Formats: sequence, structure tokens, C-alpha cells
Amino acid sequence: ETGVTQSPTHLIKTRGQQVTLRCSSQSGHNTVSWYQQALGQGPQFIFQYYREEENGRGNFPPRFSGLQFPNYSSELNVNALELDDSALYLCASSLDQWDEQYFGPGTRLTVT
Amino acid sequence: QKEVEQNSGPLSVPEGAIASLNCTYSDRGSQSFFWYRQYSGKSPELIMSIYSNGDKEDGRFTAQLNKASQYVSLLIRDSQPSDSATYLCAAISEGSNYKLTFGKGTLLTVNP
Repeated sequence: ETGVTQSPTHLIKTRGQQVTLRCSSQSGHNTVSWYQQALGQGPQFIFQYYREEENGRGNFPPRFSGLQFPNYSSELNVNALELDDSALYLCASSLDQWDEQYFGPGTRLTVT
Repeated sequence: QKEVEQNSGPLSVPEGAIASLNCTYSDRGSQSFFWYRQYSGKSPELIMSIYSNGDKEDGRFTAQLNKASQYVSLLIRDSQPSDSATYLCAAISEGSNYKLTFGKGTLLTVNP
């Protein structure tokens, strides 16, 4: 167990809807990163938060947004859902930006 | 585009054999390297991290890094059927805002 939790485990949404995914990092970990993993692919970096500030972003449109809170929790928001957004969404926490990242169990999102 | 490339596999080895997994990376500024194991339907689990040239051993696992050749490898000795999984290579570079870039993964099957 990594001590990183995510909710919900599974989610089904309709195209055009909005979704919020939640993550609770290990206590003391200042950095949280979010990834999207499509079937048969490696995780793709969405963005990273360090001490509640966005610290880097991958090639994802602005409808993917996030927040990190002082209590080591964070969230990923996706607006105007598209069918291609169907994937496993992973959060990972680390002490600092360059440290080992520990993944939560993921949220499986299905967009119909 | 900073890339991490892995042998697509699948790689099949008999129980008790050595499994050798390879990875190359394109960003010379990459500083930290990680191997993750991912069972089907689960999230990635950190196996090894390596930061300097040479070998790093942890139990049955040995990670090798050659920065001049931009090459990382993972050896699994005495392979067990429970090692059957997808192995993901990942790298972090300061130049990419500490983004963790993953390869697509190599599927390893250990046959009893």
C-alpha cells in the first residue's frame, strides 16, 4: 500500500458532462501529479502541483484543470467530457518534484 | 518531444530464468529513472529508482544506468510467475519541469 487513495474507483459519465476526481496524498508529500492512462499505453502526464501551485503541464487542453489543498488532498476536474477521455486516471504523490512517485489505485472513467 | 522507448514485447521467459528489460531515453537532461510494475487492471507500483551510472541491486532486481548511451535496464533474477506484469520505464528531467515521462511498457510473461 502506498498510502495514496483515490475516489471514486469507477465512474460513468455522458459526453459533455463534467467530472471531478479526488486524490489523497501521503502525509508530508508536497507534490501531486496526475496522469491519464489509455489501454495499452504508459501513463501520460496531465499536470503537477507543488505546494498548491501548478508546477508543470502536459499536452492536455485547458478543460483539464486541478487543485491541490493544504491537507494533502487534490482534485482533477474535466469539463465537456469527450469519448476519448475514457481512461484510467492516476494520481501520484512525492516528497518533492524529482523524487520517487507513489501511485494511488486510480479512477476508471468511462464516457458514453 | 522527449521520449522514453521500451521494447514492446511481449517478453516470455521460463520460471527461474533472468528477464532483461531495456529502455532508452532521448532527453540528455534526464536525471532520475524509475521502473514500475503494473499488473493488469491495477496502478503502477514502484520497483526501483536509479540516479547515477552503474548498477543498483534490490533483492532479485538490478537496475542499470548508462547516461552516455542514454540507456536504462532492469534485470529480474530467478523470475517467478508472479513477476508476470507490464514493466514501465520512466524518467524525470529538470528541463521538462520534473515531468515523469513513461515508456509504453513491456509485457513480461514468466512461464511455470
